[in-house]
Amino acid sequence: GEEVAQTPKHLVRGEGQKAKLYCAPIKGHSYVFWYQQVLKNEFKFLISFQNENVFDETGMPKERFSAKCLPNSPCSLEIQATKLEDSAVYFCASSQSRTDSYEQYFGPGTRLTVT
Amino acid sequence: RKEVEQDPGPFNVPEGATVAFNCTYSNSASQSFFWYRQDCRKEPKLLMSVYSSGNEDGRFTAQLNRASQYISLLIRDSKLSDSATYLCVVNFDSWGKLQFGAGTQVVVTP
Repeated sequence: GEEVAQTPKHLVRGEGQKAKLYCAPIKGHSYVFWYQQVLKNEFKFLISFQNENVFDETGMPKERFSAKCLPNSPCSLEIQATKLEDSAVYFCASSQSRTDSYEQYFGPGTRLTVT
Repeated sequence: RKEVEQDPGPFNVPEGATVAFNCTYSNSASQSFFWYRQDCRKEPKLLMSVYSSGNEDGRFTAQLNRASQYISLLIRDSKLSDSATYLCVVNFDSWGKLQFGAGTQVVVTP
């Protein structure tokens, strides 16, 4: 599509439950990035993919977070055993290539509330 | 010290006036620079990339000063619809990971 799509829009989970978020990048974009926005405007990079390959996972808390981008499927970000501090808006962004200085286009986000 | 720093504002601007604000970044090896706007916790929308020679897009002008490690955004003839939080965003490496400033809030008043 012409826009990054993210589902669901809102997700509420009890502490300890699993949460799974989905992202469909703009058609033709090879790179997918996940960011977490907590509180005011603090964005934290989580992970990026080049097609289905992990590109950079330096921001991922690996003990509970995992992510995949499989061919012909939306990318996913999964949080096992959610904690209160995971409450945030999770944005997915996509980028066409490395040659456009990584201009990234963001989806509408998934607001995760952990209770 | 934060890697990307911005004045949080708010900058209260009368409609039709000009407003300008800066952002500083700590990593001298930074590769790419952007201004995004964000409305009420919606998604960041790319406003413009910032090039070394400076660039303009309609009423918006961005400048990059690599020697002093800051970028600036100037908005001319402010409209009510320009009210938003403006995020200074920097790519520090070749992996594409973006570093965000905390945002500058602009409020345009009638």
